[in-house]
Amino acid sequence: DSGVTQTPKHLITATGQRVTLRCSPRSGDLSVYWYQQSLDQGLQFLIQYYNGEERAKGNILERFSAQQFPDLHSELNLSSLELGDSALYFCASSPGGGPPGDTQYFGPGTRLTVL
Amino acid sequence: KNQVEQSPQSLIILEGKNCTLQCNYTVSPFSNLRWYKQDTGRGPVSLTIMTFSENTKSNGRYTATLDADTKQSSLHITASQLSDSASYICVVSLNTGNQFYFGTGTSLTVIP
Repeated sequence: DSGVTQTPKHLITATGQRVTLRCSPRSGDLSVYWYQQSLDQGLQFLIQYYNGEERAKGNILERFSAQQFPDLHSELNLSSLELGDSALYFCASSPGGGPPGDTQYFGPGTRLTVL
Repeated sequence: KNQVEQSPQSLIILEGKNCTLQCNYTVSPFSNLRWYKQDTGRGPVSLTIMTFSENTKSNGRYTATLDADTKQSSLHITASQLSDSASYICVVSLNTGNQFYFGTGTSLTVIP
């Protein structure tokens, strides 16, 4: 158990809908990262927040947005969902501001299925 | 072309045998390289991390090597166990801009 929690574990929704994924980092960690992993694909970095501020941006679509709250938990919002958004979404946390020094601790993931 | 390439894409070995996974990268300026193990449907777990000056790092039966001059790393697994069946991911971090790059992984299957 990494100490990172994600909810919900599974989510099934329809195309065009909007969903929110939630992540609570390890106690004391200030950074939260979001990743997408499609079937048989590698991890795609979406976005990083550090202490409430956006720190780094990866391949995040405009339909997706995220935020980190004062209590350091984070939410990833996915809107106008398409079939291709079906994937595992991982959250990770790290103690500091991120690479190069930080090790990321991954949560168990949220499996999103868009029908 | 992927900036962090791993090979082989998949590998099947017998329990008890050794194996070596490769990671080649082109990105720079290099800061460190991590190997992660990802069990199916679960989040990756860090195995090793190596900086520019480190050539080798061990974690139990896992030994990672790094040649920063040729931009190559390997992960050697000794006396494989069924529980080693997983994807192994190489991640390269840069010295600038909070950037890091994931490889696409090697899927390892250990059979009895």
